[in-house]
Amino acid sequence: GAVVSQHPSRVICKSGTSVKIECRSLDFQATTMFWYRQFPKQSLMLMATSNEGSKATYEQGVEKDKFLINHASLTLSTLTVTSAHPEDSSFYICSAGTGGAYGYTFGSGTRLTVV
Amino acid sequence: AQKITQTQPGMFVQEKEAVTLDCTYDTSDPSYGLFWYKQPSSGEMIFLIYQGSYDQQNATEGRYSLNFQKARKSANLVISASQLGDSAMYFCAMREGVRTSYGKLTFGQGTILTVHP
Repeated sequence: GAVVSQHPSRVICKSGTSVKIECRSLDFQATTMFWYRQFPKQSLMLMATSNEGSKATYEQGVEKDKFLINHASLTLSTLTVTSAHPEDSSFYICSAGTGGAYGYTFGSGTRLTVV
Repeated sequence: AQKITQTQPGMFVQEKEAVTLDCTYDTSDPSYGLFWYKQPSSGEMIFLIYQGSYDQQNATEGRYSLNFQKARKSANLVISASQLGDSAMYFCAMREGVRTSYGKLTFGQGTILTVHP
C-alpha cells in the first residue's frame, strides 16, 4: 500500500535555529500533502495544505513565515520551522491524499523539542 | 464550517467486552465522509473505518463498526471483543465532499481508551 516516510522521527534543537521535516511518498505521487500539529493528548490541528508546484494554503492563525512548506515535487513535501522557540515543541505529522474516498496515508510523525 | 465533537476524554473497558466511542458532527454540506483513526502511544495514525454520507449501510471492518445515525449527526465507533492492544487514543474525523481524499480532514478532540485485563 501507499507509504509516506517522515523524517526525522525525533529532533531536539536549540532555540533560534531552524528545523526541516521531510515527508516522502515512496510508491505513489502525492499531489496533496496536509501538515498537522499535535500537542500531547490533544487533537490534530491542520496547519496547512500543500499542492505540488503551488504555494501552500495555511489555516487561520498559522504563521506562514514561521512554518515554511515546500512541495516542489510529487514525492517530497517539507516543513521548515524557522527560528524555533520552546512553544514550537510539538508532534508534527504529514498526510498525503492517495485518491479514492478514504485514501489518506499518514507519516509516522516528528517529535520536535526546542530547548 | 464543519465541526467534530468527541465528548469522552477517556473510556475504560474490560478485555473481551464491547465499547462505544461517541462522535457527533455538524456540517451544512450534504456530501461528507466520516473517519475513525487509532493513535497508539507511538504517534502513528491507523485508519480504522470510513462512512460516506450517502452510504445506506453502517460500515464494518472486522471488530470495528460505525453506528451512523444521520438524522442525529452521530457516527459512533463500536469496538467488539476489546483487546489489550486496543488501548490508544481514538479520533473521529470528517471531510466535506465524499468522493475525494484531497479534501482536508477535521479531527475531534480524541478519546483515550484503556482496556483492562
